[in-house]
Amino acid sequence: AIQLTQSPSSLSASVGDRVTITCRASQGINSGLAWYQQKPGKAPNLLIYDASSLQSGVPSRFSGSGSGTDFTLTISSLQPEDFATYYCQQFNNFPLTFGGGTKVEIK
Amino acid sequence: EVQLLESGGGLVQPGGSLRLSCAASEFSFSSYAMSWVRQAPGKGLEWVSGISGNGGGTYYADSVKGRFSISRDNSKNTLYLQMNSLRGEDTAVYYCARNRGGVGGRSDYWGQGTLISVSS
Repeated sequence: AIQLTQSPSSLSASVGDRVTITCRASQGINSGLAWYQQKPGKAPNLLIYDASSLQSGVPSRFSGSGSGTDFTLTISSLQPEDFATYYCQQFNNFPLTFGGGTKVEIK
Repeated sequence: EVQLLESGGGLVQPGGSLRLSCAASEFSFSSYAMSWVRQAPGKGLEWVSGISGNGGGTYYADSVKGRFSISRDNSKNTLYLQMNSLRGEDTAVYYCARNRGGVGGRSDYWGQGTLISVSS
């Protein structure tokens, strides 16, 4: 199975900060990557798919980039509602797999 | 709006069985692949299984292969997960999700989840 390694596992940031989360795949997955946001006690919410396509209804401060093995999720200006855990998921090969998550906390 | 409502969770003894259901509404159910994803307490997300829109293609995580079975009834707009030989490590919140782009696609709508506890 393809392993996804997210870094960092957690970070502290302030409102207005630019935040970058990386996801590295153990083998090439083309652009078959999605990013999700999850808040405590809630289901995940799709943010980005196909590595860089913004899901409908998601604020434009979220963006994704990368292909092959290295991917990035960027939040251009962190808002109070963005404090959450973020997961990447690859859907290039079965079994589908998720990264371990990155918790974004308030500094 | 798309709705997914899981049911069937609860406490079960190790070695036992349970069947989860996911009732879908407000979209053309048979046109979409579906997935089950789980999350153990305090842990990350784990994809469990996926099924194509017509039910002809099914896929499983290695951790559940041979024990879990995914199916769907498109006449009832319902997705199922039959779970047998349950283990403590199967304890988790189980989410059903709608997939865009086929079984191996992103999940754009999720249910609220149902908790399975495997314990004696």
